[in-house]
Amino acid sequence: NAGVMQNPRHLVRRRGQEARLRCSPMKGHSHVYWYRQLPEEGLKFMVYLQKENIIDESGMPKERFSAEFPKEGPSILRIQQVVRGDSAAYFCASSLADNSPLHFGNGTRLTVT
Amino acid sequence: AQSVTQLGSHVSVSEGALVLLRCNYSSSVPPYLFWYVQYPNQGLQLLLKYTSAATLVKGINGFEAEFKKSETSFHLTKPSAHMSDAAEYFCAVTYSGNTPLVFGKGTRLSVIA
Repeated sequence: NAGVMQNPRHLVRRRGQEARLRCSPMKGHSHVYWYRQLPEEGLKFMVYLQKENIIDESGMPKERFSAEFPKEGPSILRIQQVVRGDSAAYFCASSLADNSPLHFGNGTRLTVT
Repeated sequence: AQSVTQLGSHVSVSEGALVLLRCNYSSSVPPYLFWYVQYPNQGLQLLLKYTSAATLVKGINGFEAEFKKSETSFHLTKPSAHMSDAAEYFCAVTYSGNTPLVFGKGTRLSVIA
């Protein structure tokens, strides 16, 4: 009964490198959400995807950030040319359908040095 | 636009005392409301949800919340705090299935022996 799986749990990147964060939703879930958590700021919505479609990316920075949820395989959040301000915990959540509760993974903690 | 305000970034209670965590929401249409709990280095776990059925919602671990439309509130309570309740608690709102959850900044609950 696997929940939402995120890897890696911890990721260290130097400024200018690329970061790839992976998320496998719960079995049977086709809705995936990415959130970013900064200290003292709660969770900020980034992007909402269904299989092969981006439904809402209103929370994604306009540059360097992209997300995908292919027909096969995990959802990927990609951050190009990382900067120190990208250091945060990134959480993925999945749901069965609209209005269903979100199930969260344990997050990927990105540190940019 | 939807928003959530959690009053008090940190609440401290004695073991056995009442827990009250405050949440006020802003939504132009009937909301769906949620409380999540986050333990250190973990993802968020759903405590309870309000989806326009009964206004008093019972969740896991003895928590409950009451939806009060006149006060636009959805406060979380537990009659008797336990040491294991120490965690961060997030209130969240949405109003339709395709609209992502908007989270409050969180309230850290400490339980004193």
